[in-house]
Amino acid sequence: AQSVTQPDIHITVSEGASLELRCNYSYGATPYLFWYVQSPGQGLQLLLKYFSGDTLVQGIKGFEAEFKRSQSSFNLRKPSVHWSDAAEYFCAVGARGGGNKLTFGTGTQLKVEL
Amino acid sequence: GAVVSQHPSWVICKSGTSVKIECRSLDFQATTMFWYRQFPKQSLMLMATSNEGSKATYEQGVEKDKFLINHASLTLSTLTVTSAHPEDSSFYICSAQRGGESYNSPLHFGNGTRLTVT
Repeated sequence: AQSVTQPDIHITVSEGASLELRCNYSYGATPYLFWYVQSPGQGLQLLLKYFSGDTLVQGIKGFEAEFKRSQSSFNLRKPSVHWSDAAEYFCAVGARGGGNKLTFGTGTQLKVEL
Repeated sequence: GAVVSQHPSWVICKSGTSVKIECRSLDFQATTMFWYRQFPKQSLMLMATSNEGSKATYEQGVEKDKFLINHASLTLSTLTVTSAHPEDSSFYICSAQRGGESYNSPLHFGNGTRLTVT
């Protein structure tokens, strides 16, 4: 079974600073990887996904993530954070052939200081 | 496009009563819907997969008789928490997969339902 670890529960960055949210996964083969963002009291919005090919994936809102097989990681990055990026971020993994059943990490709460 | 509406947004009920939560795909047909439960400061835990016209598939440890799921049409799935108890208090989120899309296509999430059982 697959699993996801997001080591950072909370992260605070200043507006304009760069951001990296960590995600490590456990899966026996190459997984499908996702990053979702959740605003308070709301559902999840897909930021980006990795299925195959280029390991550097571009997403919406200026986010990108890099799949590193050797480190079993899929860290999310943004070069310059905006105050509106404050939210909860979830990394998720899906098994190939497993349909759309995703396993989510515990999330990282991002706070942006003005 | 691809809007998923969940109703109600929040509900407070007394212990022992049942609560129904609706998940609707407003502008697409959803052959598959997923129900998640999210505890405070925790991740989303998949409860069940709901396929239109067939019985839901529950994840291990989820009580089928406790959490009744019905997917009667291509745009509506319901989750009924029967005989609710305070430990059922949680944030429930549904997601929908657009019919005809591949199994690895993005899911569309509802805004969730906050259930509080007193």
